[in-house]
Amino acid sequence: EVKLVESGGGLVEPGMSLRLSCAASGFRFDDYAMHWVRQAPGKGLEWVGSISWNSRSRDYAVSMKGRVTISRDNAKNSLVLIMSNLRPEDTGIYYCTRSRGDFDVWGQGTMVIVSS
Amino acid sequence: SSELTQDPAVSVALGQTVRITCQGDGLRSYYASWYQQKPGQAPIVVVSDKNNRPSGIPDRFSGSNSGDTASLTITGAQAVDEADYYCCSRDNSGDHVVFGGGTKLTVL
Repeated sequence: EVKLVESGGGLVEPGMSLRLSCAASGFRFDDYAMHWVRQAPGKGLEWVGSISWNSRSRDYAVSMKGRVTISRDNAKNSLVLIMSNLRPEDTGIYYCTRSRGDFDVWGQGTMVIVSS
Repeated sequence: SSELTQDPAVSVALGQTVRITCQGDGLRSYYASWYQQKPGQAPIVVVSDKNNRPSGIPDRFSGSNSGDTASLTITGAQAVDEADYYCCSRDNSGDHVVFGGGTKLTVL
């Protein structure tokens, strides 16, 4: 079964950092670029950033640039999102998704709450 | 502009046809893909970035492009199609992904 499972979400204070992980299974991980997409409560989808299959290319949303880093370990079939200097507006569900064009597989998401 | 604009809400009578549109300059260069999201669930792709329909998606879903507008058409809408729909494409540079604001579809 093709699967993506996010973890690492939780409650964090403003200004702190957080590391989210995404475990992939059921497909050849290094065949795909990987992305993070987030969704604030009651709001729409927002692309966070992406990493190419070989990690040579990483792109980030302008709104997040400078505060996020995406990395991957193809040997471990894992994807990581590190977010720093978190703000209340970063609260939401964070999804990992794979892409060779469209986003055909999504994880169930992990919830991040930024609050004091 | 790198934005994708969607109508916030659209309604359709059961069994009728509805078109959900997505407008943006980047659509002149890049295809859009379309995602359906139901409450409490992750999105699923219903129309791929070349207007193809992924395996398992009913053939009542179709996509098209014209100029700066992409469209998702549901022919014979069903109650189960009630959901939020998002278009997705690239910005003008091609480096960044952008989502539309989403359209809430109500099936009456």
